[in-house]
Amino acid sequence: GQQLNQSPQSMFIQEGEDVSMNCTSSSIFNTWLWYKQDPGEGPVLLIALYKAGELTSNGRLTAQFGITRKDSFLNISASIPSDVGIYFCAGQKSGANSKLTFGKGITLSVRP
Amino acid sequence: GAGVSQSPSNKVTEKGKDVELRCDPISGHTALYWYRQRLGQGLEFLIYFQGNSAPDKSGLPSDRFSAERTGESVSTLTIQRTQQEDSAVYLCASSSRAKTLAKNIQYFGAGTRLSVL
Repeated sequence: GQQLNQSPQSMFIQEGEDVSMNCTSSSIFNTWLWYKQDPGEGPVLLIALYKAGELTSNGRLTAQFGITRKDSFLNISASIPSDVGIYFCAGQKSGANSKLTFGKGITLSVRP
Repeated sequence: GAGVSQSPSNKVTEKGKDVELRCDPISGHTALYWYRQRLGQGLEFLIYFQGNSAPDKSGLPSDRFSAERTGESVSTLTIQRTQQEDSAVYLCASSSRAKTLAKNIQYFGAGTRLSVL
């Protein structure tokens, strides 16, 4: 089935650095979401974006909904060790309660 | 409960056996979703329930997969005649029936890790 495009598969950064992740799609989504998954756990929502061009922050996290509605990015500033995990983007088409389409995820490692 | 609960957390089965996976959604959430996550992959949608009916079953990979929901609460995902390719983490999510997208957030359980030998 369709998946969103996330790359690279893994990222390695130094504690304190900023990191940016991008997510693209060949089709339009009306909602973009970013989730984080820790080992053995389900994904946890970080940020949700509902309007094209929207820029939203949640603490050290900032995400933007692309103008074309075909992409989104997530930025993490001043990374800390607990930022380690898998970051997934997800898109949702029109209609409340519709399914999410996920990217393959980016595994983030933070070196102390 | 406070969150989405799934059981068992791990299931090992032999090829050809049937398995049942259970999901207890957040109390009051009318929407329930099942996703599959293969190793190193993103989540793939399987089926969506609104109340006890399933308006979207488009993600079920074969007729060996079925799901039901009762009492607008617990859901069971059944895989018949399991194959090794069915090995994955099966995740359940629930959300409220919201008029605005802002409240339609899907909350996930920790999943059931299925291993088919």
